[in-house]
Amino acid sequence: DIQMTQSPSSVSASVGDRLTITCRASQDISNWLAWYQQKPGMAPKLLIYAASSLQSGVPSRFSGSGSGTDFTLTISSLQPEDFATYYCQQANSFPRTFGQGTKVEIK
Amino acid sequence: EVQLVESGGGLVQPGGSLRLSCAASGFTFSSYSMNWVRQAPGKGPEWVSYISSSSSMIDYTDSVKGRFTISRDNAKNSLYLQMNSLRVEDTAVYYCARGARELSKWGQGTLVSVSS
Repeated sequence: DIQMTQSPSSVSASVGDRLTITCRASQDISNWLAWYQQKPGMAPKLLIYAASSLQSGVPSRFSGSGSGTDFTLTISSLQPEDFATYYCQQANSFPRTFGQGTKVEIK
Repeated sequence: EVQLVESGGGLVQPGGSLRLSCAASGFTFSSYSMNWVRQAPGKGPEWVSYISSSSSMIDYTDSVKGRFTISRDNAKNSLYLQMNSLRVEDTAVYYCARGARELSKWGQGTLVSVSS
């Protein structure tokens, strides 16, 4: 199975900050990487697919990059509604696997 | 509007069975692959099972192989997960999610609790 490792596990940040979350795959997954946002009591929401494609309706302050084994999710200017937990997921092969999550908290 | 609505969760004893359903609306269900994803309390999501649009391809995570069966009825716009020989560690919110690779739409989830 492909292991997905996110860092950091948690981060405290302020509104307006630029934030970067990284995700590393245990083997080459090309660009088959998705990012999700999850708020308490809610289902995950797709933000980015194919490593860098913005899902329809997602604000442009979210962006993704990377290929192979190393990927990043960047939020250019944190907004109050962005405080949540973020997960990466590899879509290259079965079983699909998720990172352990990055919790973004208010500083 | 795309909607996925899960049902069928509940409290069951270890070794018991449950059948989850997911009712789809607002899109052409028969054109999309579907998945079940679960999330244990306080944990991250865990992919459980996949079924292609025509049911020709099915896969499971190792921990549920031989115990869970995914199926779909395209005429009824419905996805199912038959869960047998349930274990305490199967306790989670179970989501149905649309997509062949990335999971673009998720339901609200149904809670499965396995406890004696």
